[in-house]
Amino acid sequence: SQTIHQWPATLVQPVGSPLSLECTVEGTSNPNLYWYRQAAGRGLQLLFYSIGIDQISSEVPQNLSASRPQDRQFILSSKKLLLSDSGFYLCAWKSGRRTDTQYFGPGTRLTVL
Amino acid sequence: GQQVMQIPQYQHVQEGEDFTTYCNSSTTLSNIQWYKQRPGGHPVFLIQLVKSGEVKKQKRLTFQFGEAKKNSSLHITATQTTDVGTYFCAGRETSGSRLTFGEGTQLTVNP
Repeated sequence: SQTIHQWPATLVQPVGSPLSLECTVEGTSNPNLYWYRQAAGRGLQLLFYSIGIDQISSEVPQNLSASRPQDRQFILSSKKLLLSDSGFYLCAWKSGRRTDTQYFGPGTRLTVL
Repeated sequence: GQQVMQIPQYQHVQEGEDFTTYCNSSTTLSNIQWYKQRPGGHPVFLIQLVKSGEVKKQKRLTFQFGEAKKNSSLHITATQTTDVGTYFCAGRETSGSRLTFGEGTQLTVNP
């Protein structure tokens, strides 16, 4: 069966520090991968999606970037965090083009102080 | 671009009361999906509707897809405290390639 992992689960970082969040998927190959951000009590904001290795599409211009160095690994990064980067970061995957159903990881709760 | 709107944004009910959330799209959808996010948790897929006018049931939950495939609803009969959470709809427009999520309806149930 397929599983999706995210780490760390929680993170407290100072403003201006770098960020690296990791997401890995097991039990499937060539998944579509997504990064979402959720502010407290709000909806899901799509940040990046990827249909394959090194194929990243950005939905919202900001100081975040994403990379997919391996088929089942998706990384969200920042060189300098802003206060507004605080939120709940969710990684999700779906199986190619045959389905629209997305499966979410447990998320990383980021607080920027 | 495609917009998916959900109402209400918040709903507070007494345990045992019914609850309905509505989802409306600005464009015709290929399918509609519903997800549930428990407090502190991540969204979990509940169901997908594909056909015009489709109705599906999961125990006390009833999901409907409109005839024009532009709206959908989720109805919970006799809510329980375990129903607490945020319910999201998500749809892909017929000519599109990506899923668009609604803003969600946050349900609280008072025991």
